[in-house]
Parts: sequence; structure tokens; C-alpha cells
Amino acid sequence: DAKTTQPPSMDCAEGRAANLPCNHSTISGNEYVYWYRQIHSQGPQYIIHGLKNNETNEMASLIITEDRKSSTLILPHATLRDTAVYYCIVRVNTGGFKTIFGAGTRLFVKA
Amino acid sequence: EAGVAQSPRYKIIEKRQSVAFWCNPISGHATLYWYQQILGQGPKLLIQFQNNGVVDDSQLPKDRFSAERLKGVDSTLKIQPAKLEDSAVYLCASSLVRGSYNEQFFGPGTRLTVL
Repeated sequence: DAKTTQPPSMDCAEGRAANLPCNHSTISGNEYVYWYRQIHSQGPQYIIHGLKNNETNEMASLIITEDRKSSTLILPHATLRDTAVYYCIVRVNTGGFKTIFGAGTRLFVKA
Repeated sequence: EAGVAQSPRYKIIEKRQSVAFWCNPISGHATLYWYQQILGQGPKLLIQFQNNGVVDDSQLPKDRFSAERLKGVDSTLKIQPAKLEDSAVYLCASSLVRGSYNEQFFGPGTRLTVL
């Protein structure tokens, strides 16, 4: 079973920030939080990952709570092309780790 | 750089037939994954290779599914015989682990329909 809980769907207006929450209350100390997204009919695409510090790259920002039990992916200025299913995953980075995807959050960006 | 290649992109077979999928990972990526994605669900890991050795195949239905990774590069996933419930998209991914960074790159997938 996935170790994360995400809302099944969310809406966001184009140009506004999209904030996607993820609960991972059983996360272990050596597990990272990864986010991927899957646009219709394509394979998943890596977005960002982090351990305990907030992270930012050209696609998004990742905010991890101090207790690491939840995180939020932020798309600062959502576009129609950001409509996709977003997956939050927790896993270790050493060999033999298992990647378990949940059902994800389906984000609809509306004009 | 070239991405993960998969073929065929689509396959339609009848139940009890056999089918094989092929994956060519990104050059230099030691880790290769096969996932099954049923419509409306997230991808489920079937098998993970590190070079040409199996790291995890706990969710692979071994009575009908088999996979191999030749010389630690290309990989094939086979289903024999296929069942209706095997209808899904089969995704191949590869990754290069460096420190805390382990991004998986996914191919476009093979959509299998079993009639």
C-alpha cells in the first residue's frame, strides 16, 4: 500500500498558484518525499524531491512540515498544460528501495 | 539525450495468447523498472533490476509474467498466457542513483488490451 494520502482531485484557475497537499504520517527518517506528474497518455515525469528542507526548482516548490508528516507541492503560476495527475511518493534512496505510487491527485487547471 | 524507448506502443491480443514488451533505458542507467498501470490507478511496480540482477519482483505474478534484462541494458517483459485483467499500460523506467538524487525517467508505455 502507498504510504501517502492525497485528495483525489483539485481545481485551480489558470495563472494562480496550485497547492497540492500530501500526508505521509508514517514516513521514516531516511525516506525522501518525491513528486511526479502524469499528463494524459504519457509516462510519469519527475518534478521535485526533498528530505526535510524546502526545495525549489524551475517547475515547482516543495514545502515539507517540520515533523515531516506532510508536504505541499506548489505550482506558482498554473497553466493549462499543468493539468495532470500528481503523485506524492516517499522512499529511501539506497539500493533495493521500492517505489509505491498511490492514486494521486488529478489537478484541473481552468481558463 | 535520448529518453526511455518502449515498443510496441499498442498491442491487442486475445486471452490465453502470449505477448512481449521491449524497453531500452537511458544509456548508463543501471536501474530499470517495469510498472503496470491499470486505468484510473497509479503505476504498480512489477519488477526492478539493478544492472542485470533482480532487486525486487515481489509484485510480479510469476506464474504468467517473466522479465529479463540482457547484459544489463535492454529488457523484455513477457506475459504468457494473458488474462483479461492484464489489460493495462506497461511502463518502463530507468534511473541513475547519485547521492540523494534518484529521478526515474519513464518511457511512453505500451497499452495492452486483452480481449
